[in-house]
Amino acid sequence: AQRVTQPEKLLSVFKGAPVELKCNYSYSGSPELFWYVQYSRQRLQLLLRHISRESIKGFTADLNKGETSFHLKKPFAQEEDSAMYYCAPLGGRAGANSKLTFGKGITLSVRP
Amino acid sequence: DAGITQSPRHKVTETGTPVTLRCHQTENHRYMYWYRQDPGHGLRLIHYSYGVKDTDKGEVSDGYSVSRSKTEDFLLTLESATSSQTSVYFCAIIGTYGYTFGSGTRLTVV
Repeated sequence: AQRVTQPEKLLSVFKGAPVELKCNYSYSGSPELFWYVQYSRQRLQLLLRHISRESIKGFTADLNKGETSFHLKKPFAQEEDSAMYYCAPLGGRAGANSKLTFGKGITLSVRP
Repeated sequence: DAGITQSPRHKVTETGTPVTLRCHQTENHRYMYWYRQDPGHGLRLIHYSYGVKDTDKGEVSDGYSVSRSKTEDFLLTLESATSSQTSVYFCAIIGTYGYTFGSGTRLTVV
């Protein structure tokens, strides 16, 4: 099974503080990992994928194979970052015939 | 977004009645998924499809069935709705850049 674990359910920080949302994975092959964001009562949206190594809305995530982690980071949180964040795998190639399991998600609350 | 729509957006139904949710996509994606989202549980896979008439169970498939008679439509049916099936249901497809989700269906079983 290809799984990700998000160990925390809630992270509350003040505006301007650094943010790290944790994601750990267990994989039998090469992982392809994503972070998704869901703003209040909206659909989930792709935030970033590890292959692209890009920064979106100031967020970055590095795949650490030694620690089997894919933590999401932002140096200075903004109030508009308040949302639920999901770490998700894509098993092997896109559309792989496997039971894909999301992390349980973490709610980020950024206080003014 | 990405040609994926869900219907209805909201539904209230009574315990014991059958309910069908529809997911429609316009981009000919082979793989389609149904998830439910609940507080404390995140997203859980109900069923998925890897082609017309090809479906498989996810981690929470009990009480649900699916059908995919054509590429663009993936239907989720609650055979006899129960209060534990009150949830937000999301359909998703997988493209080159990962998942694209529908807007969700908020189902309340009373």
